[in-house]
Amino acid sequence: GENVEQHPSTLSVQEGDSAVIKCTYSDSASNYFPWYKQELGKGPQLIIDIRSNVGEKKDQRIAVTLNKTAKHFSLHITETQPEDSAVYFCAARGTSYGKLTFGQGTILTVHP
Amino acid sequence: NAGVTQTPKFRILKIGQSMTLQCTQDMNHNYMYWYRQDPGMGLKLIYYSVGAGITDKGEVPNGYNVSRSTTEDFPLRLELAAPSQTSVYFCASSRETQYFGPGTRLLVL
Repeated sequence: GENVEQHPSTLSVQEGDSAVIKCTYSDSASNYFPWYKQELGKGPQLIIDIRSNVGEKKDQRIAVTLNKTAKHFSLHITETQPEDSAVYFCAARGTSYGKLTFGQGTILTVHP
Repeated sequence: NAGVTQTPKFRILKIGQSMTLQCTQDMNHNYMYWYRQDPGMGLKLIYYSVGAGITDKGEVPNGYNVSRSTTEDFPLRLELAAPSQTSVYFCASSRETQYFGPGTRLLVL
């Protein structure tokens, strides 16, 4: 089955800096890659996603890039703010429609 | 739309007790999922359903059962609760993008 590795497990930045989280996947047939943000005590919330026919997608301060050849994708957050502090999960959808495999998560802390 | 709702929010069980975690979605999604999240860990798929009457096992199904009699509801049943089932349980639904509920925190003592 699909395997998703996520790095780093923790990331600490100063407010205004950029943050990058990277994920690799194993199934070359995977075609959909969402990113979720989970705040303390809440369920994961989708923040951005990318499909395998696109190399990059942006939404204000958030961007995701996908390298299908290398089987990795990354989340980029620019001009970080304290409210960006949360756990971020990447995921990949393989050949089974709807089923996602999640990375282990990254705890992002933005210091004011 | 309320999205995905889960009840209860928190529950303490004694070893050997049973309970049902409720999940309801109002987005008319065919796909529904149950995950567990252990402290400091990612999400592991317990069971999923592709439509009413159809369910299948995920990565960690042992100790759990599900049913899907309607599009809206996907309850998760714990029989003979064990301390290893202490976790936070999330229900999700999707057409393509998965939307998660707020979670149920379960403590088995």
